[in-house]
Amino acid sequence: DIQMTQSPSSLSASVGDRVTITCRTSQSISNFLNWYQQRPGKAPKLLIYGASSLQSGVPSRFTGSGSGTDFTLTISSLQPEDFATYHCQQSYSTPFTFGPGTKVDIK
Amino acid sequence: EVHLVESGGGWVQPGGSLRVSCVASGFSFSSDEMNWVRQAPGKGLEWVSKISGSGNTIYYTDSVKGRFSISRDNAKNSLYLQMDSLRAEDTAVYYCAREKYCGGDCYPAGSWFDPWGQGTLVTVSS
Repeated sequence: DIQMTQSPSSLSASVGDRVTITCRTSQSISNFLNWYQQRPGKAPKLLIYGASSLQSGVPSRFTGSGSGTDFTLTISSLQPEDFATYHCQQSYSTPFTFGPGTKVDIK
Repeated sequence: EVHLVESGGGWVQPGGSLRVSCVASGFSFSSDEMNWVRQAPGKGLEWVSKISGSGNTIYYTDSVKGRFSISRDNAKNSLYLQMDSLRAEDTAVYYCAREKYCGGDCYPAGSWFDPWGQGTLVTVSS
């Protein structure tokens, strides 16, 4: 199975801050990496697919990058609605696996 | 609008059974692979199972093999997860999710989950 790690596990930030979250995989997965946002009590929502493609309707302040084993999700200017937990997920092979999540809360 | 709605969650004793369902609307259900993903209270997301559009190809995570069974009824736009021999560690919110696939000349290649249902809570406890 492909193991996923995320860092940091949590962070505190202010509105307007630039935030970067890292996801690493235990083996190369090319660009088969997706990012999801999950607000408290809600279902996950797709943000980024194929490592860097922005899902329709998602604000352009979200960008994804990386390939192989190292990936990054960047929020260029944090907005109040962005305080949530972010999950990365590999779709290279089953069993599909998720990172443990990064919780972004208000400083 | 593409929409998924789960139902069937509830409380069950260890060793018991439960079937959760997911009804789809707004897309050609039979064309897409479907997945179940769960989230234990306060924990991360865990992929559980997937089924092809025809229902002929199925995968499970190791911890549920032999206990859970995924199925679909394309005539009813419905996805199911039959859960038997339930354990306390199966307690979670169960989400269904459509898997969008891009292959061949499509870019970017790969698959992703979109959309997700709102989830249904399964509690296994004595």
